[in-house]
Amino acid sequence: SQTIHQWPATLVQPVGSPLSLECTVEGTSNPNLYWYRQAAGRGLQLLFYSVGIGQISSEVPQNLSASRPQDRQFILSSKKLLLSDSGFYLCAWSGPGRLGQFFGPGTRLTVL
Amino acid sequence: AQKVTQAQTEISVVEKEDVTLDCVYETRDTTYYLFWYKQPPSGELVFLIRRNSFDEQNEISGRYSWNFQKSTSSFNFTITASQVVDSAVYFCALLLSGSARQLTFGSGTQLTVLP
Repeated sequence: SQTIHQWPATLVQPVGSPLSLECTVEGTSNPNLYWYRQAAGRGLQLLFYSVGIGQISSEVPQNLSASRPQDRQFILSSKKLLLSDSGFYLCAWSGPGRLGQFFGPGTRLTVL
Repeated sequence: AQKVTQAQTEISVVEKEDVTLDCVYETRDTTYYLFWYKQPPSGELVFLIRRNSFDEQNEISGRYSWNFQKSTSSFNFTITASQVVDSAVYFCALLLSGSARQLTFGSGTQLTVLP
């Protein structure tokens, strides 16, 4: 069965510091991978998605970037965090034979 | 462009009451899929159900049931005999056929079940 991991679970960072959030998927090959942000407690905003290694599509221009160095690894980064980057970050995957997206446990980021 | 509307921002019910969460979608595609996810206080989105556009049969799973009506573009979710553990934010989502398989989410409905 497939599982998706995210870390860290929580993170408190000062403004201007760098960021690296990691997501890995097990039990599947060549998944589509997604990064979402959930701010203000509810709405889900798609930030990036990837259909393969090195292939990243950005949905919203922002202070963040994403990379996919390996088939089942997806990384969300920032060189300098802003206060507005605070939120709950969710990674998700989708793949052949399983319609829909399946989410990781999320990372709660607080920028102070 | 596709859109999902969950008009109910917050709902409060007392335990054992039935509650229906509304979802209305918009799309010009003829092939699409609809989903419901549950987000408990822990934050993780839990997949509940998927429905195909060509299958309007309603579905029941325990206390959960889903009513899909293409004529009104609605995919409503009913919890029967609600329990405190049902308290969560519930999201409806739409998926169009395509290579990237991107989901369009509604804004969510916060359900609070009071003891």
